[in-house]
Amino acid sequence: GAGVSQSPSNKVTEKGKDVELRCDPISGHTALYWYRQSLGQGLEFLIYFQGNSAPDKSGLPSDRFSAERTGGSVSTLTIQRTQQEDSAVYLCASSLYTRGYTFGSGTRLTVV
Amino acid sequence: GENVEQHPSTLSVQEGDSAVIKCTYSDSASNYFPWYKQELGKRPQLIIDIRSNVGEKKDQRIAVTLNKTAKHFSLHITETQPEDSAVYFCALSSTSGTYKYIFGTGTRLKVLA
Repeated sequence: GAGVSQSPSNKVTEKGKDVELRCDPISGHTALYWYRQSLGQGLEFLIYFQGNSAPDKSGLPSDRFSAERTGGSVSTLTIQRTQQEDSAVYLCASSLYTRGYTFGSGTRLTVV
Repeated sequence: GENVEQHPSTLSVQEGDSAVIKCTYSDSASNYFPWYKQELGKRPQLIIDIRSNVGEKKDQRIAVTLNKTAKHFSLHITETQPEDSAVYFCALSSTSGTYKYIFGTGTRLKVLA
């Protein structure tokens, strides 16, 4: 597609439930990133996929967070047993090697 | 790990004045330095970037300077306009051949009409 597409745009979930967030990167972009942005805060790195290499998971805050990228394209970020502190905007970005990221519009997750 | 310090956290300027935001880093192997603008409720968007083999880059009213020796880079906005009001993030590419970015904490710029 023309841009990075994320779904859903908004998600309200009950504490303890699992959620899945989807990212569809720009076609042909080899790298895909997930970041988290809490209200009024900066961009916290979560995970990074580059081609067929093993993902860099160094930013995942706990083992409740996981992500996969199937076929080198679409990625899903899964949060298990959600907690209130997981509430944030989850941003996905993709890039072609050294060019700048293109961000999606994000998924606003609210855990109640 | 690598981190980026960004200052100031908030900046108010009169319309038409210049604004400067500065970021400092510690890893001398960092080689790519983008700047992103995020308007309220919207996604961050790349506005300008610079690579380590260049000292300055300009695009209309926006410029970025890089001082590799001192390990800092700055965003300069001249003739500010109300639509420049946003949060600006600096970033740098992590080392070891990856393209993971480390972002600064952001600067909220307000341009007063």
